[in-house]
Amino acid sequence: TQLLEQSPQFLSIQEGENLTVYCNSSSVFSSLQWYRQEPGEGPVLLVTVVTGGEVKKLKRLTFQFGDARKDSSLHITAAQPGDTGLYLCAGAQWTYKYIFGTGTRLKVLA
Amino acid sequence: NAGVMQNPRHLVRRRGQEARLRCSPMKGHSHVYWYRQLPEEGLKFMVYLQKENIIDESGMPKERFSAEFPKEGPSILRIQQVVRGDSAAYFCASSPIGQRSSGANVLTFGAGSRLTVL
Repeated sequence: TQLLEQSPQFLSIQEGENLTVYCNSSSVFSSLQWYRQEPGEGPVLLVTVVTGGEVKKLKRLTFQFGDARKDSSLHITAAQPGDTGLYLCAGAQWTYKYIFGTGTRLKVLA
Repeated sequence: NAGVMQNPRHLVRRRGQEARLRCSPMKGHSHVYWYRQLPEEGLKFMVYLQKENIIDESGMPKERFSAEFPKEGPSILRIQQVVRGDSAAYFCASSPIGQRSSGANVLTFGAGSRLTVL
């Protein structure tokens, strides 16, 4: 059973466009993290959200945790080729164990 | 300022051989987690260890897989009698703290070890 579903699975856009990636679940999470993974490398943590309704901004990236703590979104403004990568959400349920989503593979074309 | 170090980065084994993957956590981190990533998939939790203790191995296959984190030296993920289905990227992550009742645990991942079974 996959607890965290990400959509879309694949996304190819032109430089300068905006995009939103979704991470959905029917389960409640105590915290949720977003990672970016580049080919041949490990995931790198972008952000952690712990409060329902929380919004965090990291330069052109905006992360939101749903009010009910069951879902999250990542919005990128004016995407750049350097944003290309695999975006993973990961949720924890009051424990150390993070469950990873299926991932969204983003490609930004110059 | 070394992060999580994994080696080897790439390992090729024939069916039936053994694979040993090593992970040195970040300095000051005493909690180690192993995850497996199959092509085009997310990461799947395998095992969580502290020094000399296996805390949670619920994600480990029941046979052929074992993990340890000795008092001295790196954590080791060992796969005996490898099969083609073991081909994957194996990631190690470390954290300075383990289970928390609230808040979030921050994991730092290594670059992974890519196992190919011929």
